[in-house]
Amino acid sequence: AQSVTQLDSQVPVFEEAPVELRCNYSSSVSVYLFWYVQYPNQGLQLLLKYLSGSTLVKGINGFEAEFNKSQTSFHLRKPSVHISDTAEYFCAVSAHSGNTPLVFGKGTRLSVIA
Amino acid sequence: ETGVTQTPRHLVMGMTNKKSLKCEQHLGHNAMYWYKQSAKKPLELMFVYSLEERVENNSVPSRFSPECPNSSHLFLHLHTLQPEDSALYLCASSQAPSGTEAFFGQGTRLTVV
Repeated sequence: AQSVTQLDSQVPVFEEAPVELRCNYSSSVSVYLFWYVQYPNQGLQLLLKYLSGSTLVKGINGFEAEFNKSQTSFHLRKPSVHISDTAEYFCAVSAHSGNTPLVFGKGTRLSVIA
Repeated sequence: ETGVTQTPRHLVMGMTNKKSLKCEQHLGHNAMYWYKQSAKKPLELMFVYSLEERVENNSVPSRFSPECPNSSHLFLHLHTLQPEDSALYLCASSQAPSGTEAFFGQGTRLTVV
């Protein structure tokens, strides 16, 4: 089985500052990794995903994430945040084999301060 | 319409009512999911329909009953719910087998009174 740990439940950051949201996963098999964003009263929207290949993945809205197999991490970063980035961010994992649904972390609330 | 559509967006029901949540996907996917999102809790996978096989989370109470008449439609039938069932219910779809992302609807905000 897979599990995801998002170490920070809340991250406040000033506008135009950089941010990193941390995600660690646990799995006995190879995995696919995802970051989703959820704005208030909305569903989840995919930011980016890692399936294979380059460990640095670029997504929408200027976000990127780096897969680190040795540290079992998939941290999300943005060099300069905007007010509009205020939202809940979820890291998720699914196993390569079979048809396994996504397993989500508890989420990190990013609050961008003007 | 494109994507994953959920109706209604908001629902208030009494504990003795029977209601249904509807989800429709226009992406040609063959797997559909119900998730429950409660405040301060991680997303809980409730039910999965994939390649016509139903995978059920054993901790889901029987007052929640899913129905998947075809690969494009998914229902969640609700009866005799409890106040603690109030949550955002999210539907998602993907293309099995795994490896692709799930696409989510906007959710149904359910309040049980």
